Amino acid sequence: KAGVTQTPRYLIKTRGQQVTLSCSPISGHRSVSWYQQTPGQGLQFLFEYFSETQRNKGNFPGRFSGRQFSNSRSEMNVSTLELGDSALYLCASSLAPGRGGTEAFFGQGTRLTVV
Amino acid sequence: AQRVTQPEKLLSVFKGAPVELKCNYSYSGSPELFWYVQYSRQRLQLLLRHISRESIKGFTADLNKGETSFHLKKPFAQEEDSAMYYCALMDTGGFKTIFGAGTRLFVKA
Repeated sequence: KAGVTQTPRYLIKTRGQQVTLSCSPISGHRSVSWYQQTPGQGLQFLFEYFSETQRNKGNFPGRFSGRQFSNSRSEMNVSTLELGDSALYLCASSLAPGRGGTEAFFGQGTRLTVV
Repeated sequence: AQRVTQPEKLLSVFKGAPVELKCNYSYSGSPELFWYVQYSRQRLQLLLRHISRESIKGFTADLNKGETSFHLKKPFAQEEDSAMYYCALMDTGGFKTIFGAGTRLFVKA
C-alpha cells in the first residue's frame, strides 16, 4: 500500500511568487492535514480537510490556502511568498478523522526555500 | 489557549538507562494525546496514543490530568531509540492537532 506522497520534494522560489504543493493520501483515507515545520517554531498546524471541506484552520495568514479534491488529494497554496515561509511542509492523512479515529500517516514533506 | 510544552530540546542518556521525555499540556477540555517519533531520514510516525494505553517498543505514557502531563517513559533505553520525539494534542473537535516543539533523544553506547 503506497504511503502519503507529497510533490515536489524540493522547491526554490523567490519572494513574491506563489507556490502550490500537492499531497496524495493513502488510498481510502479521506482526511488530510497540513503542517509547517521550522526549526524555530516546530510543527504548526495549517489546516485539515475531510470530504473536500476545510474543517479547521491554524493561525496562518490568508496567503496560505488549501483545497481537497473528490479523490481526497489535497493541495496547498502560498501566495506572495516571504522569506519566513521557508520550511518543510508536511501532509498527513487518516482513514477516520477526529477523536478516537485512526492513526495519521505523514508524508516525507516538501522542502520550500524562499530566496 | 491550547498548548503543548516539551521543556527539553535535547535529552542524552546511556544505553540501558531509564528515559523520561516530558510533556505538559494546556487545554480546557478533555484532550486526546499522542507521542510521535521521527527516526533519522524517516517520516514522522505515531508511537502511541493515550486512549490505547499500550506499550510500543517498550515505551509507555500515562495521562495525568491533575498535573496536565503526558510524559513518555522507557525503563531501559536502546541505541535505536535515538530520534526526535513529539508530544501532540488533538482538540475536542478532532480536526486539529497541536504539536510540542519536540525533544531529541540521544542514546549513547
